[in-house]
Amino acid sequence: GESVGLHLPTLSVQEGDNSIINCAYSNSASDYFIWYKQESGKGPQFIIDIRSNMDKRQGQRVTVLLNKTVKHLSLQIAATQPGDSAVYFCAASPNSGYALNFGKGTSLLVTP
Amino acid sequence: DGGITQSPKYLFRKEGQNVTLSCEQNLNHDAMYWYRQDPGQGLRLIYYSQIVNDFQKGDIAEGYSVSREKKESFPLTVTSAQKNPTAFYLCASSMVGAGVLNQPQHFGDGTRLSIL
Repeated sequence: GESVGLHLPTLSVQEGDNSIINCAYSNSASDYFIWYKQESGKGPQFIIDIRSNMDKRQGQRVTVLLNKTVKHLSLQIAATQPGDSAVYFCAASPNSGYALNFGKGTSLLVTP
Repeated sequence: DGGITQSPKYLFRKEGQNVTLSCEQNLNHDAMYWYRQDPGQGLRLIYYSQIVNDFQKGDIAEGYSVSREKKESFPLTVTSAQKNPTAFYLCASSMVGAGVLNQPQHFGDGTRLSIL
């Protein structure tokens, strides 16, 4: 089966700095990866996704990097703002279906 | 606005009681999913359905049941056989289909279930 984990349960950054949240996955057959942001008491909100035929994808202030060799992906947030404070989850999908396997989440705290 | 609606937001269950959580989507998505989230943990898959009248067990299906009679609706019943039902329950939906690559799952805002 698939195991997805995040390296750090909490991350504290100063407002304006860049944030990097890391994630590792175990199944080399995983071909779809996705990052979610979850605020307290709410459902996860889609941030960005990437397929295994890419190693980098950019969105608005966010970049996802995928390293299939070491089965690692990261989420970079540029110029982190207080509104970015939340729990961030990575998830991976094996190529056999559509179910996502989620990591445990990293809590990002942005300080002024 | 298109989205996923979960109700109720808070639900309390008595011992030995079955309770049903509602999930409705107007995104015209074929696939729907139920996840359970415990404090400080990631999401674990309970059941999912890729098409009407069909569904599959996820990793933690014991003590739960679902139905998919309509494309828009995927209710989850937490039965009395689920001995530790206190959790945050999240419903999601996504596009699927032949030739369609993985698409993001979109989530509702959850139902928090507690035991009385």
